[in-house]
Amino acid sequence: DAKTTQPPSMDCAEGRAANLPCNHSTISGNEYVYWYRQIHSQGPQYIIHGLKNNETNEMASLIITEDRKSSTLILPHATLRDTAVYYCIVRPNVMDSSYKLIFGSGTRLLVRP
Amino acid sequence: NAGVMQNPRHLVRRRGQEARLRCSPMKGHSHVYWYRQLPEEGLKFMVYLQKENIIDESGMPKERFSAEFPKEGPSILRIQQVVRGDSAAYFCASSPQQMSEAFFGQGTRLTVV
Repeated sequence: DAKTTQPPSMDCAEGRAANLPCNHSTISGNEYVYWYRQIHSQGPQYIIHGLKNNETNEMASLIITEDRKSSTLILPHATLRDTAVYYCIVRPNVMDSSYKLIFGSGTRLLVRP
Repeated sequence: NAGVMQNPRHLVRRRGQEARLRCSPMKGHSHVYWYRQLPEEGLKFMVYLQKENIIDESGMPKERFSAEFPKEGPSILRIQQVVRGDSAAYFCASSPQQMSEAFFGQGTRLTVV
């Protein structure tokens, strides 16, 4: 069962920042926050992950609140190709876990021209 | 470094036949995950394997489905006596270690007629 809550859909204008929120109020200290996206029917694409510090890579930034109960994925300059379903996932990080990714319903992001 | 390779990309089987789906992980990756996505639904975890071992098969249907990841060669997801309800996209992902991000292939779309 997914341990995250995301809005079902969002939209933003091309060239603007897309800020995708995620609530994970029951996250435990040894769980990471992962973000993936699925463009149309393609395989899910890894975006970014973090534990408690903010993270940035060439695709996006991940902002995690200090209490770790929520996070925001930021696409700084959204393009039409960023239209996809975005999944926020909490993933255990302990040796007795299978580390499987449990996908919820995600947020369907539509980038408008 | 090639990504996760899945083949075939599309597979059509008649009811009662067997389906074999292959997944070649990225070079250096010894952990493989299989997921199923029914039409218009989310991704559901099926099984997690390391070389020659099934670690977590909690998402696998109890009958007709099996998975293996031999010492040499790709991981295989085998579905015996397929039924129409098995029609779905099957994705595999690989990672180099348990606690690493997983990268997905483009999937195999199984159609049972």
